[in-house]
Amino acid sequence: QQQVKQSPQSLIVQKGGISIINCAYENTAFDYFPWYQQFPGKGPALLIAIRPDVSEKKEGRFTISFNKSAKQFSLHIMDSQPGDSATYFCAASRAGGSQGNLIFGKGTKLSVKP
Amino acid sequence: NAGVTQTPKFQVLKTGQSMTLQCAQDMNHNSMYWYRQDPGMGLRLIYYSASEGTTDKGEVPNGYNVSRLNKREFSLRLESAAPSQTSVYFCASSKNRDNQPQHFGDGTRLSIL
Repeated sequence: QQQVKQSPQSLIVQKGGISIINCAYENTAFDYFPWYQQFPGKGPALLIAIRPDVSEKKEGRFTISFNKSAKQFSLHIMDSQPGDSATYFCAASRAGGSQGNLIFGKGTKLSVKP
Repeated sequence: NAGVTQTPKFQVLKTGQSMTLQCAQDMNHNSMYWYRQDPGMGLRLIYYSASEGTTDKGEVPNGYNVSRLNKREFSLRLESAAPSQTSVYFCASSKNRDNQPQHFGDGTRLSIL
């Protein structure tokens, strides 16, 4: 079974700090790496995504860093705010065929303390 | 703009009972998905429908059936509920299956006693 391994399981950060969540994957054929954000009682929502032809993508305070050779990618949240407190899931997929479905990591629960 | 709508939001069943979870999307998406979410397990794909008229098994299909009723609607049926099926169920849709953002509903919280 293809896997996406996510760490840490939980993370506590002070307001204004940097939150970093890491993911590692096994299948080198994966070509799409999204991050989803989920608030309690809600469904996950796409936060930011990257494809392997770039090493970094930034959207506001959220940045994905991608290391193709290490088969790792990470989410950085700059200037973390209490409103960022949520569960974050990384995922990976490959276009086409049976591998076209998203494989999700197990999630990281982020708490940002005021 | 509703997006993905799931009904019911909460349900309690007894072991052996059956029920159908409903999902509808209004974004004219071709692909739809059913996931279950359990503590510490992330999201696991139960079944998906790449396009209207097709359905395929995901990672954890045992004990479930699905129907793609039309382009908008994709239902999940538990024929004989078991306590191991206690979970939060999410429906999602995307424009197509190839590396497209998935839009999720707010889930159905299902408890089986």
